[in-house]
Parts: sequence; structure tokens; C-alpha cells
Amino acid sequence: EVQLVESGGGLVHPGRSLRLSCTGSGFTFGDYAMSWVRQAPGKGLEWVGFIRSAAYGGTTEYAASVKGRFTISRDDSKNIAYLQMSGLETEDTAVYYCTREGFDPWGQGTLVTVSS
Amino acid sequence: DIQMTQSPSSLSASIGDRVTITCRASQGISNYLAWYQQLPGKPPQLLIYDASTLQSGVPSRFSGSGSGTYFSLTISSLQPEDFATYYCQQFSSAPLTFGGGTKVEIK
Repeated sequence: EVQLVESGGGLVHPGRSLRLSCTGSGFTFGDYAMSWVRQAPGKGLEWVGFIRSAAYGGTTEYAASVKGRFTISRDDSKNIAYLQMSGLETEDTAVYYCTREGFDPWGQGTLVTVSS
Repeated sequence: DIQMTQSPSSLSASIGDRVTITCRASQGISNYLAWYQQLPGKPPQLLIYDASTLQSGVPSRFSGSGSGTYFSLTISSLQPEDFATYYCQQFSSAPLTFGGGTKVEIK
């Protein structure tokens, strides 16, 4: 069974950093691009960014709202994709989901709360 | 950036009703469009990709159509488990934008 599990969420003060992890299982992790999507409380879905597979250079793309503050990376030997978030703002408060290329499946999400 | 405009933002319908949700792209995206269903407190689930291809395991009462800038998701006969929020998403070019969502509620 293909599965994605996010971890690393929590409460963080504005301006601080946090790293989220997305661990995949049940598929050849390195063959797929991995995306991050977030959902603020009571709001819609917002694409955050993705990282291509190594076969496509492992390059990244980001939403304008996070570009320069967030960095997506991957460790295919551990089947993990990361979302490094810095300079966090209260507007970054959301459930963060990871999803595989093709946007199926999605993990259960991890809540990040940015508050003083 | 490509903007995705979904309508309506919400609708009320009864069991057995035919429901259609539309999604309009600000520029042509060929058929690079997906539809998702999100139940409360759950992650989204892929229903349709490439505008009209049903994801494995999705009931056949769901269908998608369109290309270019205009797309639609139709539920042919609404079932109790279909009351949820639906999103479209374009994957023609980054940023991979979502529509604002359509909440389907019980009348």
C-alpha cells in the first residue's frame, strides 16, 4: 500500500524556523516528484511547491507566497521529502500535506501553528 | 500565474440529484486538470485527472469534462457520502493552482 506520513508540525513563534518531513512507503520513492500543499484553518487548498525526481534533476518550484523562505529537499535513501520553513509568519498557520506526483495519495497532514 | 475560478462556492442538493461544478482557467491548460474531494477533517482524495479520467476506485457517478479553459465535474446521482468540498487544480504550469472549492451540502 502506498503511504505518506508527515511529521514535524507544532507551535512556533513568528520569525522562527521549522522542518517538516514526509516519509513514503509502498513505492519507489526516488522515481516520483513530491509536492507540499497547505490548508489554513477553514480555508481552501494552497500549493506550496514540489521537488522533481533525480531523473529530472531534483529541481524545485515554489509558490510566490513562500519563495525565498521555504525550501523543499529530499533524501531518496531514506524515502523522505523535507519542507524547511524559515521566517515563519502567522499566515503560514495551516495543515501541511505532502503528496506524490500525480497528487495521489496524500498524507494525513501535520499542523503548523505560528503564534506568539 | 494561472488562476482557477470555481463555481459555485457552495450548493445545496438532495440525494439523487445531478450536480455540476465548473472550473475556469485564466488561460488555456489543455486537459491538465484534476478534481479532488475533501471530507471534513480528511486529506483531499483524487477523483479525476487529465480532466476526464476517473481515478481507480472512484465511483462511476463521478465524471469530468472540458479542455482549454472550461471544465466541469458532474455527480450523476448524489449519494450521502458525496457531501464534501470539491477542488479543481491545474497542473499545466507552476504554480499548480487550485480553485477556491465548492462545498456540497444537504438540502
